[in-house]
Amino acid sequence: GAVVSQHPSWVICKSGTSVKIECRSLDFQATTMFWYRQFPKQSLMLMATSNEGSKATYEQGVEKDKFLINHASLTLSTLTVTSAHPEDSSFYICSAGPRDEQFFGPGTRLTVL
Amino acid sequence: GENVEQHPSTLSVQEGDSAVIKCTYSDSASNYFPWYKQELGKRPQLIIDIRSNVGEKKDQRIAVTLNKTAKHFSLHITETQPEDSAVYFCAASIGGNFNKFYFGSGTKLNVKP
Repeated sequence: GAVVSQHPSWVICKSGTSVKIECRSLDFQATTMFWYRQFPKQSLMLMATSNEGSKATYEQGVEKDKFLINHASLTLSTLTVTSAHPEDSSFYICSAGPRDEQFFGPGTRLTVL
Repeated sequence: GENVEQHPSTLSVQEGDSAVIKCTYSDSASNYFPWYKQELGKRPQLIIDIRSNVGEKKDQRIAVTLNKTAKHFSLHITETQPEDSAVYFCAASIGGNFNKFYFGSGTKLNVKP
């Protein structure tokens, strides 16, 4: 299958700071990438659809000013958690695929102190 | 939007037995149904998928069936092994390429040796 990488794999930050997470497609071009959030022992919750060269589309209830998404190239999408708070602590994971299959990045565990 | 329900939430079987996980979806426009396996702390891995133009697909010990009329699809694992123990997620996707996935709530499968 296609390879999707994510960086960093984990990050600890202080409340009020911003954190940027990168999602890269390594062996294919991705005009669309997806960002999910997963709480312990729960399913993947779709946060937003990242579109190369245009604005991201956010799912209902997800604050677009809180979770900034930039899809600047065909292989890179970034998610920035702005002014992070402890309740933002979670496992963030992206997905992308060369066709209708979706392959997931390894995820980023964010802990906000 | 699409609503995917998954049952059971937990499933415990003896090694060598079969396991069946069921999902239903709400939107008849959904036409792609992947299944993912997620081990603790790791990314979801695509294990099998089915498209709406077929009713069944098999890959060694894993099979998926789809009933479009009833809007449900199932994952079948035969001759289960301890390494099959993980959380399994079903998903449904509406439309063609690059469309977002809606995930089921997950099934924790425990295969007892």
